[in-house]
Amino acid sequence: QARLVQSGAAMREPGASVRVSCQASGYIFTRYFLHWVRQAPGQGLEWMGRVDPTNGKTKYAQSFQGRISMTRDKSTGTAHMDLSWLTSDDTAVYYCARARIGSGFGDVWGQGTVLTVSS
Amino acid sequence: DVVMTQSPLSLPVTLGHPASISCRSSESLVYPEDGITYLNWFHQRPGQTPRRLIYNVFSRDSGVPDRFSGSGSGTDFTLEISSVEAEDVGVYYCMQGTHWPLTFGQGTRLEIE
Repeated sequence: QARLVQSGAAMREPGASVRVSCQASGYIFTRYFLHWVRQAPGQGLEWMGRVDPTNGKTKYAQSFQGRISMTRDKSTGTAHMDLSWLTSDDTAVYYCARARIGSGFGDVWGQGTVLTVSS
Repeated sequence: DVVMTQSPLSLPVTLGHPASISCRSSESLVYPEDGITYLNWFHQRPGQTPRRLIYNVFSRDSGVPDRFSGSGSGTDFTLEISSVEAEDVGVYYCMQGTHWPLTFGQGTRLEIE
């Protein structure tokens, strides 16, 4: 069955960058967009952006413009989310989730990656 | 951005009783290019990953019990649970996938009273 497996927890200092990875399996990688969503402690869900695995095109939420990059590696079926200039407000669980035109967003999610930003 | 407003934010329910959550969007969620309304409902138990229950307003995901149902159109949507069970506790989110950026409701916390 389709699965998304994310990289492990990360701890960074303010001002640093982080890469979170999401490896797809059990389905054809290029048939689904990959989105990133985060959830700060005790808070709701926030959409960050998405990458099209077919061509690498991206869409980002305005609030992350300039410090976010989403890429994909078709050879390994992996999507990456890079976030730079981290602050304590970026402390959150980061999820990848797939989506497809017609059947919508979020039928399969990664397990989540905990990012802690602290000095 | 399209604002998704859920009510109530807290929902105490007796086991076996029905529950209903409302979600309103600030714009119509009908996608002009295909006529589909990209409105989803998710359930998140404490410490767990969100799970999609309903997509495109009323289509139930595989494995989701039939006590869950979605309805609505345009800007007004509802998630109903016909008979609440203990495993239904957690937070429910509506989410729109029609307009950029994708946006979620604030979440409705369902608890057993």
